[in-house]
Amino acid sequence: DQQVKQNSPSLSVQEGRISILNCDYTNSMFDYFLWYKKYPAEGPTFLISISSIKDKNEDGRFTVFLNKSAKHLSLHIVPSQPGDSAVYFCAASPIIQGAQKLVFGQGTRLTINP
Amino acid sequence: ETGVTQTPRHLVMGMTNKKSLKCEQHLGHNAMYWYKQSAKKPLELMFVYNFKEQTENNSVPSRFSPECPNSSHLFLHLHTLQPEDSALYLCASSQHGSHGAFFGQGTRLTVV
Repeated sequence: DQQVKQNSPSLSVQEGRISILNCDYTNSMFDYFLWYKKYPAEGPTFLISISSIKDKNEDGRFTVFLNKSAKHLSLHIVPSQPGDSAVYFCAASPIIQGAQKLVFGQGTRLTINP
Repeated sequence: ETGVTQTPRHLVMGMTNKKSLKCEQHLGHNAMYWYKQSAKKPLELMFVYNFKEQTENNSVPSRFSPECPNSSHLFLHLHTLQPEDSALYLCASSQHGSHGAFFGQGTRLTVV
């Protein structure tokens, strides 16, 4: 049973517009959520995160929103740039006690069209 | 460059071969991980090492054997693999008390 789901395998957005990537989770024990970005032939790189005590976290063009009641989070990228084209993974983590166990979604391939 | 280095980047091996994947982190982290990414599937956690001690084995078959000689190095020893084990194997590290992990570039493994 998949605890973190990204239901859109791909998304295509025009350059300069807003990209919205969605993620749903089922485990109420998750208390921290992260977005990773992955280019081909590279490992995932951390992008932005949010704690369960917040509903929004912003870092430059990237904003993550968390709706705990709906068990849903989203990543907004505005304005979208061609370099944002990559696979984006949503991940969730339970309360940290030593090492962590990130649970990942399947990823969404974002393509930014010039 | 994330501070986590994996070698080799690509590996092709036969089902009767024995090979090892290597991971090294230069970040001073105290936890290291092996993840597997198969086509069209999420990253799956395989093993967790906490201060060099294995704390998690996520029901991984015994043909995958991890080794963590110190907190900076992690190996994944492979033997008698199956074609379905072909995947991207990713190493990661993290620091206790912090969220998120830093990933290496991965080893693309093909079993023939």
